[in-house]
Amino acid sequence: AQSVSQHNHHVILSEAASLELGCNYSYGGTVNLFWYVQYPGQHLQLLLKYFSGDPLVKGIKGFEAEFIKSKFSFNLRKPSVQWSDTAEYFCAVALAGYSSASKIIFGSGTRLSIRP
Amino acid sequence: DAGITQSPRYKITETGRQVTLMCHQTWSHSYMFWYRQDLGHGLRLIYYSAAADITDKGEVPDGYVVSRSKTENFPLTLESATRSQTSVYFCASRGGDTQYFGPGTRLTVL
Repeated sequence: AQSVSQHNHHVILSEAASLELGCNYSYGGTVNLFWYVQYPGQHLQLLLKYFSGDPLVKGIKGFEAEFIKSKFSFNLRKPSVQWSDTAEYFCAVALAGYSSASKIIFGSGTRLSIRP
Repeated sequence: DAGITQSPRYKITETGRQVTLMCHQTWSHSYMFWYRQDLGHGLRLIYYSAAADITDKGEVPDGYVVSRSKTENFPLTLESATRSQTSVYFCASRGGDTQYFGPGTRLTVL
């Protein structure tokens, strides 16, 4: 069965530190990849997505992610975090061309805490 | 624009009671979804709907019932609530290849 792993459950950083959150998936076919962010008390918002083309994708608020097909990974990065980046981050994977919604799978999330 | 709304935002109920969580979207998206969010499990799909009157089970459908008589509404009913259904419930709709989430309903079953 397909699965998504986010190995870091809680990451604590100081402001201006660089960030990398890991995401690995298990599926041998073509996938669409997403990162969602959930700020405290708010709903999930799309941060960025990858469907095809350049494996380095840029999202909102200075975030980017790199798709490495050989490693089944889609890690999220930001060169310099801010206190306002404190949130929970979810990686999600969908089978390419999915028409059945049950094929989108979320990771368990990574809580990011930024020290001012 | 309101987008996607959920009500109530918070609900406390007792074991065995029936509870309905409401979801409304203003975009006329065909696909709508219900997820539950639990610590350590991320988001798990309960039910989804491809259009009015078309619904299907997701990963964890047991104990839940859905209906979709109108495109814009997708209520989720817990027929006889159990403590294991204490969770945060998110409704979502899909526009193109992106899912948009509602603000969530925090449900506590005592």
